[in-house]
Amino acid sequence: EAQVTQNPRYLITVTGKKLTVTCSQNMNHEYMSWYRQDPGLGLRQIYYSMNVEVTDKGDVPEGYKVSRKEKRNFPLILESPSPNQTSLYFCASSLFVLPTADQPQHFGDGTRLSIL
Amino acid sequence: DQQVKQNSPSLSVQEGRISILNCDYTNSMFDYFLWYKKYPAEGPTFLISISSIKDKNEDGRFTVFLNKSAKHLSLHIVPSQPGDSAVYFCAAGGTSYGKLTFGQGTILTVHP
Repeated sequence: EAQVTQNPRYLITVTGKKLTVTCSQNMNHEYMSWYRQDPGLGLRQIYYSMNVEVTDKGDVPEGYKVSRKEKRNFPLILESPSPNQTSLYFCASSLFVLPTADQPQHFGDGTRLSIL
Repeated sequence: DQQVKQNSPSLSVQEGRISILNCDYTNSMFDYFLWYKKYPAEGPTFLISISSIKDKNEDGRFTVFLNKSAKHLSLHIVPSQPGDSAVYFCAAGGTSYGKLTFGQGTILTVHP
C-alpha cells in the first residue's frame, strides 16, 4: 500500500529541546516536502527536496532543517524549538513536482507539535 | 504575501445542491492548479487539477474552472453529498517552480 509515514503523531515538548520528526515513503518518489498548517494560514511549505542530497527552502524555512540522505526518508529537524513552531506538520511525496491524477501527491497523516 | 487566496473560510450547502469553492491567485507564473480535500486527523488528498492551457476539467461530480484573465479558479461539486464535508485547499504551481503554494482552505459543510 502506498504510504507516507510520519512519526511521532503527537509531541509535547519544551522550548530549546531538539527534536526530529521522521518521514518515510514507500513509493520511490523523487519529490518530498514538509508543510505546516496553521489556522487562517492554510498549508505553508517549509522545505522541499527534488532528489537525494537536493533540498531547498520553501516559504517558511526559519528554525527548521532537513536532510535527504536516501530517497525514502526526509526528516524534519527543529534544533531549538520555540512556541511559534507549535503547529500541525505534514510530510508529502510525489513522483513529480506537479502532481497529476495518475501521479498524485501523497500526504502523511500529520504530526501535531506543541512547544511549551 | 499570500499568493493563493481562498477568501471564504467556510461554506454551508444543502445535500443535493451545488457547492462552489473559490480561489484567487496573484502570481502570473503559476500555470498549474490543484484542489485537495482534507478530513480531520488525515493528510490532504489530491482531488482534481487543471493546467493553464485548459479552462475546465471534470472528474465525476467535481469540475474545476480556470479564468486566467481574472486569476481565479473555482471548484464545483454537483450534487453535494454529506461525505463531501471537509476542508478544501486550492494550490498553484508552475513548470519553472520547485514547489506548490496553497491557499488558506475553505471548510465545506454539506447538510443532509
